[in-house]
Amino acid sequence: RKEVEQDPGPFNVPEGATVAFNCTYSNSASQSFFWYRQDCRKEPKLLMSVYSSGNEDGRFTAQLNRASQYISLLIRDSKLSDSATYLCVVSTWTDKLIFGTGTRLQVFP
Amino acid sequence: DGGITQSPKYLFRKEGQNVTLSCEQNLNHDAMYWYRQDPGQGLRLIYYSQIVNDFQKGDIAEGYSVSREKKESFPLTVTSAQKNPTAFYLCASSIERQSNEQFFGPGTRLTVL
Repeated sequence: RKEVEQDPGPFNVPEGATVAFNCTYSNSASQSFFWYRQDCRKEPKLLMSVYSSGNEDGRFTAQLNRASQYISLLIRDSKLSDSATYLCVVSTWTDKLIFGTGTRLQVFP
Repeated sequence: DGGITQSPKYLFRKEGQNVTLSCEQNLNHDAMYWYRQDPGQGLRLIYYSQIVNDFQKGDIAEGYSVSREKKESFPLTVTSAQKNPTAFYLCASSIERQSNEQFFGPGTRLTVL
């Protein structure tokens, strides 16, 4: 079983739609969780950290479910510019970050 | 402007040649990392350094070497021993710990012919 698993997609959604991605992780001792965004042939950039109580940043909401060992990212009112690959990142007990393979989102007009 | 720079953006080398990728940061971060990214795979850690003059192997260190003589710089050498060096190489840095937020450079795309 992979340490971090994501549905690769692509998720094709129209502008204005709400879309949600899930990511599961295998190490119950994980402490840090992030969502990164990566545009095609570019470097990953931090979208948001994920906190136990859940957190929101504008149209983006991240949630953590420790019992079921998954994190989620919800994007409301999708824009064309949201088209990218979204990487789920989780720390391990050794403090190392494990990157998921990413979920590709394509927003169409 | 604070950030991480990598050079060159694209690099072509012949098989059997060593090549060094540059990574510089002016964020005053203690920790620096090298990853490689292949299509359909997550980022994999090659080497990391949490302090000057000290570095540790990551998951796929074979065929690579690094140095950390200055806080700002963490060059990666891809040696001829690396069996499949063609990849997208990303350098990152963070404050103190690996599990803190990491900031990435723009990457170097290496193609070995």
